[in-house]
Order: sequence, then structure tokens, then C-alpha cells
Amino acid sequence: EPEVTQTPSHQVTQMGQEVILRCVPISNHLYFYWYRQILGQKVEFLVSFYNNEISEKSEIFDDQFSVERPDGSNFTLKIRSTKLEDSAMYFCASSGDRGNYNEQFFGPGTRLTVL
Amino acid sequence: DAKTTQPPSMDCAEGRAANLPCNHSTISGNEYVYWYRQIHSQGPQYIIHGLKNNETNEMASLIITEDRKSSTLILPHATLRDTAVYYCIVSQALTGGFKTIFGAGTRLFVKA
Repeated sequence: EPEVTQTPSHQVTQMGQEVILRCVPISNHLYFYWYRQILGQKVEFLVSFYNNEISEKSEIFDDQFSVERPDGSNFTLKIRSTKLEDSAMYFCASSGDRGNYNEQFFGPGTRLTVL
Repeated sequence: DAKTTQPPSMDCAEGRAANLPCNHSTISGNEYVYWYRQIHSQGPQYIIHGLKNNETNEMASLIITEDRKSSTLILPHATLRDTAVYYCIVSQALTGGFKTIFGAGTRLFVKA
């Protein structure tokens, strides 16, 4: 069964450093998403991406964040200058074109630790 | 943000049906009801969705009231592996994607 994959599974970085989190969505999907979950808190929507552009973003997704689909298979989330509060699990998801409804398939997540 | 209300936790005996309620009294006509679950700290897993008719798949059944203001997710024979946080979400199709807003969900404990 096809699945969403994410790398790395755990990333440790120093505050102020740039990080890139990578995702390989399911191959025939058209919509791509990033979510984050701070330890013990709920899953938070960050951004959705369709047709090579951002379609929706939350207040969390500020200028420090960017997304890209560089080669038609990978989908990346870049955090330009990490802060301590960026420490969280980051989940990528993708979905196909189903018209009015949409089931999203999530990856296993990348645990980001900012020191 | 979240437009649904769920009990924070529930218990269920292994092998019995787990019935998880959700209130969505402000649901609009073009919004679907989705259920996801999250086992420990894994990525959320899609379970089922519906608009107004009851739905069943290999994982669960979804019962939506006639006025669409509430729904119930039914796991017919709960196992220990069904212990998870279950999220009821309502959302509509937007151009270019779906902004899925997760609430706190219901933490289901399946006990032997």
C-alpha cells in the first residue's frame, strides 16, 4: 500500500540554524500539507500546497517558513532560523483529487529538537 | 477554530463496540464529517468520512443524525491496538486544498 514517507525521523539543530524537512507524498496525489504537533498538544495545520503554490496557510506559517516541491516527488518544509519553540513533531500529508471530499494520508513525522 | 465537540476520554472493553460521539451543531450543508485517529505519537490516520448518509468501511462505521448536527464513530470490535486519540473534524472543499483543523479529540482506552 502506498504511503507518505518523511526524512529524517529526528533532527537536532541549534537555535538560529536553518532546517529542511523532507517528505515524499503518495505519487498520484495532488494536494500536500504540513502540520506540527508540539509535545502534549494538538495537531496544528501549517500549510497546504496545490498546483505548485500555497493554497492555505495558518498564522503559525510566518516568513520563517517556506515550502517547495523541487522535483515533482519531494515536498519540503524549510525553517530559516529555528527558535526553541519550533521544537515539535512535523507531519507531512497528501491527498488525491476527490472533488468535494478529501482524505489525507499522513507520514510518520519528523521530530525536530531545537537546542 | 474547531467546530466539533467531543468527550475528552472514553473507556471500552476489548471485543466490545466503541461508540465515539461528536457534536457539530454548526455544520454547513457542504461540509463533510471526517474521523482520524492518532496512535501514540504517530501521524494521524484517516478512518472514515461522510456527508449525510451512514457510512461503513473495513475499519469503522459512521452514523450521522438526520439533522447532521452530530455523529457517532463505531468501532465494532475494539482491540487493544485501537487505543488512540480519535478526532472528529468537519471541513469543506476549498479551492486548492483543505484546511483541516484538529481539536483535542477523544482519548479512547481499550482495556483487556
